[in-house]
Amino acid sequence: DQQVKQNSPSLSVQEGRISILNCDYTNSMFDYFLWYKKYPAEGPTFLISISSIKDKNEDGRFTVFLNKSAKHLSLHIVPSQPGDSAVYFCAASTSGTYKYIFGTGTRLKVLA
Amino acid sequence: GAVVSQHPSRVICKSGTSVKIECRSLDFQATTMFWYRQFPKQSLMLMATSNEGSKATYEQGVEKDKFLINHASLTLSTLTVTSAHPEDSSFYICSASKTSGGARGQETQYFGPGTRLLVL
Repeated sequence: DQQVKQNSPSLSVQEGRISILNCDYTNSMFDYFLWYKKYPAEGPTFLISISSIKDKNEDGRFTVFLNKSAKHLSLHIVPSQPGDSAVYFCAASTSGTYKYIFGTGTRLKVLA
Repeated sequence: GAVVSQHPSRVICKSGTSVKIECRSLDFQATTMFWYRQFPKQSLMLMATSNEGSKATYEQGVEKDKFLINHASLTLSTLTVTSAHPEDSSFYICSASKTSGGARGQETQYFGPGTRLLVL
């Protein structure tokens, strides 16, 4: 049972344009969501997080949107840069457990 | 900052030997550390949760006698793969959690760079 899903395994975007990565979840108990970026043979790098009490969080070029009713979150990267090319994982957790459930990842390729 | 290191980054060993992987939080104290495993083109699979000074909590299907975890201090956790076999070859990643300071005191996990294990 995949509680966190990233339905797009890959995405290609032109440099300078917006990248939108999507994530859906099924467990309504999740109240903390994160996005990580991962290069091959490296550990994930934390990008941005959002608590369920918010519907938007912004940090520089990265913005995460949370739609609780749809159980959907998205990561917007604008403007996209070639260095953003990586695999992006969303993760969800429930307060008190500190355990993350990861999605399967979306490979983003930013074309120069 | 929140830097987590792992050592070694790569290890090749013979079948039947044991391998120890270290995970350190370099600039913060982590009461909880996590060990993950990642197979090619798959997501991160949590193996166990490690709390300083207590026994690790293993996920279903993970053999605790095969994957020994020790969390000796607030900055160090070790994973020992005992009697390693070729099917244990994988990418092992640790993380350490740090309170994000949010309204509900959520913890953000910061990951190490990973250890590539190849068992021949």
